[in-house]
Amino acid sequence: GDSVTQMEGPVTLSEEAFLTINCTYTATGYPSLFWYVQYPGEGLQLLLKATKADDKGSNKGFEATYRKETTSFHLEKGSVQVSDSAVYFCALRSSQGAQKLVFGQGTRLTINP
Amino acid sequence: DVKVTQSSRYLVKRTGEKVFLECVQDMDHENMFWYRQDPGLGLRLIYFSYDVKMKEKGDIPEGYSVSREKKERFSLILESASTNQTSMYLCASSTRQGAASPLHFGNGTRLTVT
Repeated sequence: GDSVTQMEGPVTLSEEAFLTINCTYTATGYPSLFWYVQYPGEGLQLLLKATKADDKGSNKGFEATYRKETTSFHLEKGSVQVSDSAVYFCALRSSQGAQKLVFGQGTRLTINP
Repeated sequence: DVKVTQSSRYLVKRTGEKVFLECVQDMDHENMFWYRQDPGLGLRLIYFSYDVKMKEKGDIPEGYSVSREKKERFSLILESASTNQTSMYLCASSTRQGAASPLHFGNGTRLTVT
């Protein structure tokens, strides 16, 4: 079945550091890919998405490119801020079958001032 | 903005109780979902619904049931709560526009079963 594998956390960085959170997936067909973010005490918010190969999703300085050849969707940000501290989830939604959203296990990110 | 509202942020129930978790969305979305979130396991799908009175099992439906009598409301029912159902429960909704349509989540209900 479909699955998503994320980089193990937790990840701790200093403010203004470069961020990469790795995400790879296994899916049949042509899934859409998503990054969600969960701030403390809140539900999940959509951060960005990409719906086909080579698409780049971007929002709030974060970017991720849909790489079909490597089945990856790595999240990057050039200069992180303390306010980026949260849990990040990579997810896919299949174009076939039930179209349910399948999540990775989440990566907790902490940014120190 | 889409608003998905879960009726309780925190619940404490006793083993064996019947528990209802309520979710309401205000954007006329066709699809609704219940997930549970546990550390190290990410989010796992319990049940989902594509339309009123319609339901489909997700990956971990055992011990749960759902009800969707109105389009905007999707209820998760724990028939007889057990301690291994202590978790964060997240409701979500989406349009029926295929795989590109994102899910919109509520703030979650943290359930403790003692």
